[in-house]
Order: sequence, then C-alpha cells, then structure tokens
Amino acid sequence: EVQLMESGGGLVQPGGSLRVSCAASGFTFSDFWMSWVRQAPGKGLEWVANIMQDGSEKYYVDSVKGRFTISRDNAKNSLYLQMNSLRVGDTAVYYCARDRLTRRVVGGVISNPDYWGQGTLVTVSS
Amino acid sequence: TLMTQSPATLSVSPGGSVTLSCRASESIRSNLAWYQQKFGQAPRLLIHGASTRATGVPARFSGSGYGTEFTLTISSLQSEDFAVYYCQQYYNWPPFFGPGTKVDIK
Repeated sequence: EVQLMESGGGLVQPGGSLRVSCAASGFTFSDFWMSWVRQAPGKGLEWVANIMQDGSEKYYVDSVKGRFTISRDNAKNSLYLQMNSLRVGDTAVYYCARDRLTRRVVGGVISNPDYWGQGTLVTVSS
Repeated sequence: TLMTQSPATLSVSPGGSVTLSCRASESIRSNLAWYQQKFGQAPRLLIHGASTRATGVPARFSGSGYGTEFTLTISSLQSEDFAVYYCQQYYNWPPFFGPGTKVDIK
C-alpha cells in the first residue's frame, strides 16, 4: 500500500524558514517524480514544486521560485521542502504527492499526482 | 492554461446523479484529471486521461471530454460521494487546478 506521511509543519514568523518532510513507503520511491502541492485554508489546490527521480531536475511555481527548495533522499525514501523567506500568503496545508505521470513541456515538467499524503499545516504569522 | 469549474456548489439527494463541468482556456487534449477531496482529507485521484478511472474507483464515476470541455458524472450518489471535486490539467505549464465544485446533500 502506497503511504506518504508529511511532518515538520508549524507556526513560523514572516521572513522565517521551515523544512517539511515526507516519508514514503509501499512503492519504489526512486522510480517516481514527486511533487509538493499546497492548499490555503478554505481554498483550492496549488501545485508548488516537483523533482525528478534522481533529483537532477526541479521545477517550481513562480510564486515560490528563489525561496523554496525541493529535495529528496532516495536512500531514506524521503522528500523535503525547504521554505525560506516565508510570507503570510504561504500559509497552507502542504501535501506530498507521487507523480503518476509527467510531461515535458515548454516551461518545465508537468505532473499528474496519484497518491497524496495527509498534509502538514504551515502557518506564517506574527 | 486557466481552468474553470461549474457550478461552484451542487445540492443533490442521495441516489441521484450529477454532472460537473470543467473548462480549459485552451485545448489540453485529453490531459485532464479529476480529484475528490472530503473535508479534512487529502485529495484522491478519480479520473486521468479525461476518462480513465484510477485504481479502485467505482464505476459510478465517469469522465468525458476533449480539448476544452470536460465533465465528471457521478451516478447513484452515495453518502461518501459528498465532497469537493477538482479538475487538473497536465498539458501546459504551469499545472493548474480548477477552483472546485462542492457537492453537498440536498
């Protein structure tokens, strides 16, 4: 059974940093692209970033470029999102997701996630 | 490619059927997925490729469409089907989700 479990969320002040993690099990982690998708309270879904199987390619939504870094450790079956210079608008539940399919398009590699974790809440507030 | 969904909310009686609409601002061919999200839970993939049910998804869920117009039909609504449904395009950068349609109990 595919399982994804996020951790590391919490309350952080504007301008601060936080790293969220995702532990994967039930599939061969190193075979799949992985994504982070977020959902602000009461709002819809926003794809944030994805990363290739070996970590050599990474893509981000414009609003987080230069502030967030996606990474992975295939030996630990883990995915990470380092978030710096956090803003109030980054407040959201952050979901880790396995990418069923990816398409290389102008601008990046686009993902279609299939399995999602339960999410971890990141609150940016003073 | 921007995605719109209609209606925003749909009230339905258990046992009834509903059709949800998703529209893309330009052609995305059949590169469309539907997700179901229940309150407090993670999204669940229902449909990909516009009409292919994901593993374990009941046959009462069906998707159709191509290009810019897509629909998700749920027949014989069960209590567990009341949720928010999102579409996602994976043809053009960036991978936008639609704003969602809430299906609630009438």
